[in-house]
Amino acid sequence: TQLLEQSPQFLSIQEGENLTVYCNSSSVFSSLQWYRQEPGEGPVLLVTVVTGGEVKKLKRLTFQFGDARKDSSLHITAAQTGDTGLYLCAGEDSGAGSYQLTFGKGTKLSVIP
Amino acid sequence: NAGVTQTPKFQVLKTGQSMTLQCAQDMNHEYMSWYRQDPGMGLRLIHYSVGAGITDQGEVPNGYNVSRSTTEDFPLRLLSAAPSQTSVYFCASSYGYIGRVNTEAFFGQGTRLTVV
Repeated sequence: TQLLEQSPQFLSIQEGENLTVYCNSSSVFSSLQWYRQEPGEGPVLLVTVVTGGEVKKLKRLTFQFGDARKDSSLHITAAQTGDTGLYLCAGEDSGAGSYQLTFGKGTKLSVIP
Repeated sequence: NAGVTQTPKFQVLKTGQSMTLQCAQDMNHEYMSWYRQDPGMGLRLIHYSVGAGITDQGEVPNGYNVSRSTTEDFPLRLLSAAPSQTSVYFCASSYGYIGRVNTEAFFGQGTRLTVV
């Protein structure tokens, strides 16, 4: 099983600040997804990145896939209280012909007003 | 569309009891899967199915059974509940293999299970 390490595990910031969370692995992934999960809810997909070096923007959120497709980052500009939640990265594990999604343990973000 | 519906939302079981967690989707997705989410452990795959009549094991399948008789439904059975199975369980569906390019996984709201 390929492992995904997310950092930091917890992050508490003031509204308006910028932040970056990281998702790292020693393995290469065909694609990587970012999800946000709010308390009592299931994860909701934010973005999928596929190409090494790819950058995708979703309003104030910027996602980057590492050149070697082993790592990814999520940058939030001017955080808002609505950004509070658990951010999960997940990589496609296509080894041995079985396609499974491997999840990191998540970064729990709290944005304080 | 309701998306992915899980029932029940909460359940308390005694050790040794059996039960079935229900999952239904109305998006005609071929791929469905079950995950458990534990504090500090992330989401771990229990079982998955690539279509009616086809299931396979994930990372943590012991103590759980699944079947897929229809495209819409993918129930998860706990055969003899143990305290180690206390967790939040999520069902997910997608039109293709989860993680494939442009394949979005839709998750249910989860079932919070406590085994005492």
